[in-house]
Amino acid sequence: AQTVTQSQPEMSVQEAETVTLSCTYDTSESDYYLFWYKQPPSRQMILVIRQEAYKQQNATENRFSVNFQKAAKSFSLKISDSQLGDAAMYFCAYRSSRNNLFFGTGTRLTVIP
Amino acid sequence: GAGVSQSPSNKVTEKGKDVELRCDPISGHTALYWYRQSLGQGLEFLIYFQGNSAPDKSGLPSDRFSAERTGGSVSTLTIQRTQQEDSAVYLCASSSQAGGNSPLHFGNGTRLTVT
Repeated sequence: AQTVTQSQPEMSVQEAETVTLSCTYDTSESDYYLFWYKQPPSRQMILVIRQEAYKQQNATENRFSVNFQKAAKSFSLKISDSQLGDAAMYFCAYRSSRNNLFFGTGTRLTVIP
Repeated sequence: GAGVSQSPSNKVTEKGKDVELRCDPISGHTALYWYRQSLGQGLEFLIYFQGNSAPDKSGLPSDRFSAERTGGSVSTLTIQRTQQEDSAVYLCASSSQAGGNSPLHFGNGTRLTVT
């Protein structure tokens, strides 16, 4: 069974600084997709970034980038130039070949002004 | 266009009663997912639909939980004989296709409180 582990329940970052959120996963599949979602207090889940396992190049979306290490089964999220609006719960997710999506337990990010 | 709509947004019910939670996906989205999020916890997968069929319902916690989808659109999650441990936010999401990197678009959830 696939599992997604986020080992940091809480993280904090100074505004304008950089923070990295960790995610590891366990799978025996070779083809899969990885996602980071953000959940602000409004409860709305918002897609931040996604990565195809067959692509070696790390995905980037503006201030958000990932460090995808397939052999290590690691998929960390880096947020550069952190802004107050980045404060939220961040969830790492894995999509299996069976097409359901499994989430980690989340990391609560606090941005300090 | 309109996003994923869930109703009601909040539901308070007495232990032992049945509840129905509704999800209207984005028009044209073939895949639909239900998750449960307990307070301060991650998202627990419940069931996913491709069209009207459910290829994976392995996450349903017990036989008190059931879900259906009709017309490849609206889905209803039913919880029978509710228990206090069923209290959680129930999130619905839809996707334009079942697999690949198609992102899930989430609704705002239904907060269920069982007293």
